[in-house]
Amino acid sequence: GQNIDQPTEMTATEGAIVQINCTYQTSGFNGLFWYQQHAGEAPTFLSYNVLDGLEEKGRFSSFLSRSKGYSYLLLKELQMKDSASYLCAVRVDRGSTLGRLYFGRGTQLTVWP
Amino acid sequence: DSGVTQTPKHLITATGQRVTLRCSPRSGDLSVYWYQQSLDQGLQFLIQYYNGEERAKGNILERFSAQQFPDLHSELNLSSLELGDSALYFCASSPLGGSGEQYFGPGTRLTVT
Repeated sequence: GQNIDQPTEMTATEGAIVQINCTYQTSGFNGLFWYQQHAGEAPTFLSYNVLDGLEEKGRFSSFLSRSKGYSYLLLKELQMKDSASYLCAVRVDRGSTLGRLYFGRGTQLTVWP
Repeated sequence: DSGVTQTPKHLITATGQRVTLRCSPRSGDLSVYWYQQSLDQGLQFLIQYYNGEERAKGNILERFSAQQFPDLHSELNLSSLELGDSALYFCASSPLGGSGEQYFGPGTRLTVT
């Protein structure tokens, strides 16, 4: 199966920067996704990396190292509304399973004023 | 709003009963995915359909079944319900030819009493 690890919880202060790490072990890797999920709501797509390097999108950036099986999500200028669970997911294309995403258990981020 | 719709939003039923959850994907998306999310669990992949055909199966119980219809909407049938089936059920869809990002519906909260 797939092995995706991310910290269970993190806390940070409003206005700060936080980095949420994700490591994975999988075969058939074809991309890594980050999702944000507020309690009781649907996950929303944040970012996608398939090549090594940093992708920046406003206050959020995501990094991928395929050789190390490692990614991080960087959140800058934290706001209270950023308090949510952040899910790391890897896309696995193997055999007939095209496009299936495997999700980590999520990192619950709490932003304090 | 992701463009994915799910009905009903909430469902309360008794053990042993059967329910049907409905999902309409985003316009043009051929792939539909079903997930279960319990309080103490991450997103658990149940099943994937592509253009009416079953593509991949995850941890879906034999009491659960799904199908995707010619108009691409999908239904998830849950039977002989148990207390442990209480969870949020999400449907997601993804576009053809994209990176594989999935767009989630608002979910159906199922409570089995």
